[in-house]
Amino acid sequence: DTAVSQTPKYLVTQMGNDKSIKCEQNLGHDTMYWYKQDSKKFLKIMFSYNNKELIINETVPNRFSPKSPDKAHLNLHINSLELGDSAVYFCASSQASRANYGYTFGSGTRLTVV
Amino acid sequence: KQEVTQIPAALSVPEGENLVLNCSFTDSAIYNLQWFRQDPGKGLTSLLLIQSSQREQTSGRLNASLDKSSGRSTLYIAASQPGDSATYLCAGDQGGKLIFGQGTELSVKP
Repeated sequence: DTAVSQTPKYLVTQMGNDKSIKCEQNLGHDTMYWYKQDSKKFLKIMFSYNNKELIINETVPNRFSPKSPDKAHLNLHINSLELGDSAVYFCASSQASRANYGYTFGSGTRLTVV
Repeated sequence: KQEVTQIPAALSVPEGENLVLNCSFTDSAIYNLQWFRQDPGKGLTSLLLIQSSQREQTSGRLNASLDKSSGRSTLYIAASQPGDSATYLCAGDQGGKLIFGQGTELSVKP
């Protein structure tokens, strides 16, 4: 199936831990994103990468570090997790040269920090 | 700064009704407008994409329109069904990122 897939789907961890979320897309898109959905269900962009290059960094704390080993993968590493990091994190992709084709989202990773 | 507002925040209707969800944005310099559906605990499913040069798109019982000059988009759902119950999100594509509204939570009662 062509899709954006993220792992894990659920992540429960203690404050202070470091964790990673992985994302892969097989749509051939050249741009990938991380969005955060907060407890009020509001979605906001965190990062975008185009062909492994960071394009957008929306004033996200330094504890969040995205890494794109190739244009099909975008991982999110979070250091020193805090209670306020609890949210649903969505990966998405698009084709920059074909912006008219819109965005495709993964199914989300629900992070709970306890 | 682009802001996207969706009205109403929640809507409950009996099955079979036609309904309209509204989305407004403050900056007309958006490229595309995309409507998504989100079921509880699930991801985002793209419903309709209105490209910058278009004014509306249709898919089955769904029709979305875009008026950049007035900063508005509407999603029309015909003959609503209980399976349409979900949160509907509109998002404007600006500067290579999507700016989302806070969604309309729709409940269609049998």
